Amino acid sequence: EDQVTQSPEALRLQEGESSSLNCSYTVSGLRGLFWYRQDPGKGPEFLFTLYSAGEEKEKERLKATLTKKESFLHITAPKPEDSATYLCAVLETSGSRLTFGEGTQLTVNP
Amino acid sequence: EPEVTQTPSHQVTQMGQEVILRCVPISNHLYFYWYRQILGQKVEFLVSFYNNEISEKSEIFDDQFSVERPDGSNFTLKIRSTKLEDSAMYFCASSGQGKDQPQHFGDGTRLSIL
Repeated sequence: EDQVTQSPEALRLQEGESSSLNCSYTVSGLRGLFWYRQDPGKGPEFLFTLYSAGEEKEKERLKATLTKKESFLHITAPKPEDSATYLCAVLETSGSRLTFGEGTQLTVNP
Repeated sequence: EPEVTQTPSHQVTQMGQEVILRCVPISNHLYFYWYRQILGQKVEFLVSFYNNEISEKSEIFDDQFSVERPDGSNFTLKIRSTKLEDSAMYFCASSGQGKDQPQHFGDGTRLSIL
């Protein structure tokens, strides 16, 4: 059974204070790892897809990396508008379902 | 930018009643999904749909649930004989050609069972 564990559960940062979120996964065969952002009362908003170990993707202040067992979402010089819950999900080679982690709730204080 | 739209945004229903949740996926997408999120819990997969048939379903998706693509633009989730534990946020998603393409989510329907 696929498992996705995210840490920390919650993270408070000051504006400009860089940090990283972790997503550890166990899957029989990885087709893709996906990062989403979720604002309160909204659906997950797609950020990145990573397909193989060593791959990196960047978008504004966010950078996602992937190894064979985990993925990191690095946030550089965050702003208050980056406050949200960040979700990690894996897609197995044999299926079509995304298996989500519990998410990391990020708060960036001005 | 194209988006997935869901209606209604909030549905309140008496236990035992049937509900239909509606979704308009992104127009050129071929794969359609339903997920749910119980308050405070993780997003859980319910079902995926491709080429007018279910391609995968979870243990949650039992005989109480059904999906349909009644026309070229809508995708629906029907829940028969609702239970209190069906209260959750239900998200529709769609993705383009290829199962490894990102799934794009709507903003959900909040289902409250009384």
